Amino acid sequence: QVQLVQSGSELKKPGASVKVSCTASGYSFTRYAINWVRQAPGQGLEWMGYIDTNTEKPTYAQGFTGRFVLSLDTSVSTAYLQISSLKAEDSAVYYCARGAAEGYMDVWGKGTTVTVSS
Amino acid sequence: EIVLTQSPGTLSLSPGERATLSCRASQNINKNYLAWFQQKPGQAPRLLIHGASRGATGIPDRFSGSGSGTDFSLTISRLEPEDFAVYYCQQYGDSPETFGQGTKVEI
Repeated sequence: QVQLVQSGSELKKPGASVKVSCTASGYSFTRYAINWVRQAPGQGLEWMGYIDTNTEKPTYAQGFTGRFVLSLDTSVSTAYLQISSLKAEDSAVYYCARGAAEGYMDVWGKGTTVTVSS
Repeated sequence: EIVLTQSPGTLSLSPGERATLSCRASQNINKNYLAWFQQKPGQAPRLLIHGASRGATGIPDRFSGSGSGTDFSLTISRLEPEDFAVYYCQQYGDSPETFGQGTKVEI
């Protein structure tokens, strides 16, 4: 079946980096974009951007430029979100979600919790 | 960016009742590309509706979406116990994509 499997929870110190993975199965990886969505503790959903799995071109929402990098390894059907110079306010659950042709997010990973604490 | 405002913030209802959730956009949503998601505690969001009124695969028909332009709604015709959750609207017609702040449907 179609699924996105995300990497496990991370505990990082301020200033460190983290790389979250999202591995797709059950469909042709390069036919659908991969979106990333952040959810801070007790808060709503925030779209971070997406990566075109055909061209490998990322698009970032404002507020997610500079320290945030979206990338792919199409050989293993995996998308990555890397965050550098981590701050306490980066503590959140990060979801990857498949982008259908029309653009809506139809399949979601279970989320990866990133905790930034000294 | 398009701001989505959901109302009410919390909806207190009983199983079997009808729920109507509202989502208002700060400007017209391109092609009515408006989606609704359900999220339960500790779980990922689940797509219910896309294109304002098209049900996602496997979604019970008690969930329906309507609206166009700037005003949209999600209706749950008869609440089942498993429907008590937080619901988010999201527009994907323009970049950046944006979410509403959510409506909690509670017993």
